[in-house]
Amino acid sequence: GEDVEQSLFLSVREGDSSVINCTYTDSSSTYLYWYKQEPGAGLQLLTYIFSNMDMKQDQRLTVLLNKKDKHLSLRIADTQTGDSAIYFCAEKGNNRLAFGKGNQVVVIP
Amino acid sequence: DVKVTQSSRYLVKRTGEKVFLECVQDMDHENMFWYRQDPGLGLRLIYFSYDVKMKEKGDIPEGYSVSREKKERFSLILESASTNQTSMYLCASSLAGVLSNQPQHFGDGTRLSIL
Repeated sequence: GEDVEQSLFLSVREGDSSVINCTYTDSSSTYLYWYKQEPGAGLQLLTYIFSNMDMKQDQRLTVLLNKKDKHLSLRIADTQTGDSAIYFCAEKGNNRLAFGKGNQVVVIP
Repeated sequence: DVKVTQSSRYLVKRTGEKVFLECVQDMDHENMFWYRQDPGLGLRLIYFSYDVKMKEKGDIPEGYSVSREKKERFSLILESASTNQTSMYLCASSLAGVLSNQPQHFGDGTRLSIL
């Protein structure tokens, strides 16, 4: 079955870059996702990457995928206070997603 | 934009009550999901459904049941609520497709407290 691991907490100064890491176990995963959860809200899809890609850039977000090591990362450039949230990575299995436990990012002004 | 609507943001019920959590999506999605979210445990899948009247157990189905009578609506039922079911409940939906990119879209969540 799928298992997704994330570190739990990251603090970063406003304007710096943030990097959130995630490891997964299912090598047959076709898509990997990053979701953002702001306080008191549901999960919002941020970006995704197809498993045959190494990198995807979307404005301030850069996703890196190392299939060999089953490692996924999300880099947020020029981190803003509005980026304070919990970030979840997820891998796609059989019509369902396996989520990591989330990584709380706190942006210090 | 996909809209997933959960009927209540906050709900307070008593131990032993039968509790219904409702979720409606407006994008004709085949798949619908119920998760609970607890600090330090992330999201855990309770039940999901591929189609009307279809349901599959997730990772933690004990104490819950579901109903999918219409494609757009997926209900989570706590048959006899207990205090350990106090949690944030999240509903999600997606199009079908094992190999294609079909991300899940989430509602805003229902924070349920069982007293």
